[in-house]
Amino acid sequence: DIQMTQSPASLSASLGETVTIECRASEDIYNGLAWYQQKPGKSPQLLIYNANSLHTGVPSRFSGSGSGTQYSLKINSLQSEDVASYFCQQYYDYPYTFGAGTKLELK
Amino acid sequence: EIQLQESGPGLVKPSQSLSLTCSVTGYTITSGYDWSWIRKFPGNKMEWMGYISYSGSTNYNPSLKSRISITRDTSKNQFFLQLNSVTTEDTATYYCARLIAYYFDYWGQGVMVTVSS
Repeated sequence: DIQMTQSPASLSASLGETVTIECRASEDIYNGLAWYQQKPGKSPQLLIYNANSLHTGVPSRFSGSGSGTQYSLKINSLQSEDVASYFCQQYYDYPYTFGAGTKLELK
Repeated sequence: EIQLQESGPGLVKPSQSLSLTCSVTGYTITSGYDWSWIRKFPGNKMEWMGYISYSGSTNYNPSLKSRISITRDTSKNQFFLQLNSVTTEDTATYYCARLIAYYFDYWGQGVMVTVSS
């Protein structure tokens, strides 16, 4: 199975700040990567697919980048509603696997 | 609006079977896409369990292949998860989700299942 190593596990940032979360795959996943946001008690929401494509309705302050084994999710100008957990998912190969998640809090 | 809702027992005894239902509204599961089960363990590790396609074919995570079955009732627009011979390691929050291409665009709220005697 492809292992997804996500960092950091937790992150504290101020409103308006830019935040970056990273996922490293154990092998090349050829941009087969999605990012999700999950707020407490809510279902996960798709943010990014194909490593850098913004899902419909997702604010443009979210962006994804990367290639090969290294990928990142960037949140520009952090808003209070962005407090959540974020996780990545690779879909280059079965079985689909997930990162362990990053918990984002406000400083 | 597409909505998915999981239902089922919150407590299952070890060695028994876990059975969950995902009810879908706003989209007919035979119209397209794949319909998946995913679980999140205490400690937040997530595992894709498998899916049933719009045509009824299935694909399972090899780690579960001997214990898992995903079926559907097209008349009720529901799909189901059965996981046999559960242990305490199967304690998790179980989600159903729509798989579009290779990623999940709609998820249920999740149902917490505890395996305990």
